[in-house]
Amino acid sequence: DAKTTQPNSMESNEEEPVHLPCNHSTISGTDYIHWYRQLPSQGPEYVIHGLTSNVNNRMASLAIAEDRKSSTLILHRATLRDAAVYYCILRDSQGGSEKLVFGKGTKLTVNP
Amino acid sequence: DVKVTQSSRYLVKRTGEKVFLECVQDMDHENMFWYRQDPGLGLRLIYFSYDVKMKEKGDIPEGYSVSREKKERFSLILESASTNQTSMYLCASSLSGLMNTEAFFGQGTRLTVV
Repeated sequence: DAKTTQPNSMESNEEEPVHLPCNHSTISGTDYIHWYRQLPSQGPEYVIHGLTSNVNNRMASLAIAEDRKSSTLILHRATLRDAAVYYCILRDSQGGSEKLVFGKGTKLTVNP
Repeated sequence: DVKVTQSSRYLVKRTGEKVFLECVQDMDHENMFWYRQDPGLGLRLIYFSYDVKMKEKGDIPEGYSVSREKKERFSLILESASTNQTSMYLCASSLSGLMNTEAFFGQGTRLTVV
């Protein structure tokens, strides 16, 4: 599986934007970029995914670099409920194993 | 509307016991996964199943086995529980062949082996 690199932790203030980076320099052309988050004492939940173009949904935006070697999850206005561990993972759409492999993620702290 | 259900939220077992962790999904997903989560180590894949009776080892399969007799149910088995298997266990499921769809997770089972 292609690997991703994320900072161990980040801090933000409430109601400010948060940019969570992810490096995936070995990404292949058919890998989808997925983001999940895990709130305290819960299982991970899906946030957003993309292939080449930037994506928006009700939870967040995903900005993908033109060379696709990095991406950024954007929370437009952080709330205390956004405090979680955020995982960036790659999923290959061209055959092979469909294992879903997570790294250690980024722990986001939101300060009031 | 619960989609992935793990049979227990908390379990306490004795060393040497055979332990079964059950996971059921109601979305007709082909793929099912078992992870364990420990502080500082993130989510580590134990086993993956892509169809009934089919499985692949994940990163840390030692000490575990799995069973998938029906599409909706995926069981994780600790043949002889040990204290180093004390952990949070998470089950997930996803559609097969569509990497642009999401995976769904259960709430987790916190297992303590004493």
